[in-house]
Parts: sequence; C-alpha cells; structure tokens
Amino acid sequence: DGGITQSPKYLFRKEGQNVTLSCEQNLNHDAMYWYRQDPGQGLRLIYYSQIVNDFQKGDIAEGYSVSREKKESFPLTVTSAQKNPTAFYLCASTHASDQETQYFGPGTRLLVL
Amino acid sequence: AQSVTQLDSHVSVSEGTPVLLRCNYSSSYSPSLFWYVQHPNKGLQLLLKYTSAATLVKGINGFEAEFKKSETSFHLTKPSAHMSDAAEYFCVVSDQGSSASKIIFGSGTRLSIRP
Repeated sequence: DGGITQSPKYLFRKEGQNVTLSCEQNLNHDAMYWYRQDPGQGLRLIYYSQIVNDFQKGDIAEGYSVSREKKESFPLTVTSAQKNPTAFYLCASTHASDQETQYFGPGTRLLVL
Repeated sequence: AQSVTQLDSHVSVSEGTPVLLRCNYSSSYSPSLFWYVQHPNKGLQLLLKYTSAATLVKGINGFEAEFKKSETSFHLTKPSAHMSDAAEYFCVVSDQGSSASKIIFGSGTRLSIRP
C-alpha cells in the first residue's frame, strides 16, 4: 500500500537533547512538509521541500532543521534551541500535478521529560 | 492575504441528526478549499475539496460542502451523524496553484456525537 509513515509514534526528549523524527513516503510525491499541531490550534508549517536537496523555512522554523537527501525521506530534527517542543508533529506530501492536496502521515507525539 | 475561520471550536449533535460545521474564508484570488478530518492521535484525511468546478462538493463518508462566494463560506454538512464521525475537522484554504507556504489551516472544530 502506498502511503506516508512516521516514526516513532511517541518520542521523549530530555533537556538539551536533539531528536530526529522520521518521515518516509512511497507515493512518488515530489514535495514534503512538516507541520506542528498544538491543542486547539490549526497546523503550522515548519519546513517544506519541493525537490531533493532543497528546502524552505515555513512559519515556525526556529529550533528545527531538516534534510532532503532522498525523494522518499524528509527527516525533521528538533534541536535544543526549540524551547517548547511538546506537540504533535505531522508530515505530509503532495504530487507535482496537485500541490494543494496534501496527504498526511499518522504523526509523532513529542514529549519533554 | 488569505485567512480561514472556523466559527465553532466544538459542535455536539445526537446520533442520526444533521451535522453542520461552519467555515468562512478570505482570499485575494480564486481559492481552493478543503475539509480534512483527524481522529485522535492520527494524521489528517482528506474529506473533500473544491477547485472552482461544481459549487456543491461531495466527499467521503456522506459529507458534502457548498462553496458560496457571496458569503465567502464553505460549510461542511452531513444529513445524519454517526458515532464514527466524532473527530476534529479542519477547513483549509489555498490560492489555486500556490505553494505550500500559502496553504492556511483553520483552528479546527471538534465534533462530538451523543448516543
């Protein structure tokens, strides 16, 4: 089955630690996105990538970093500079022929110890 | 500039009764409009989308939405609620042909279904 996978489902971060969230897709989609979701709020865009080896900052990129070395993969690193990382993180992708219709992964919930 | 407002943060209906989730938008150009559903601790699933074809859009699970340009609204409806409809619903606006940075999510409406 084609789709987007995110791992882990739950992730715990200690103070001062960097953690990496995985996002993989086998839909042959060109663009991939990372969103942060906080309770009672809509999704906020962290980073997005339209092609391999290229990515752009979204609305709340501070404290996060990404890479896009392969078309299928778009990992997100939450660095120690992100002071309030507790949230639900969603990865999405789109096909080049329809860049508005997003397909989402199941999400990763990040908690701070 | 685009914006989207979901008028109710929480809607509660009885099973078998109609559902109405309200969404107003603002867009400088011809918008594409979407409704997504999110069940607890899950990703978002596309319910339906409007892209300037028919103004009444039918989606999955019996949901539909009507684009009303004069009212700048895109309300989501379902004739008869089912317990499995309990979830969070997001209205999304995008200027057609735009990049990801121009896709705006509403704050969500939580739908509860009473037995």
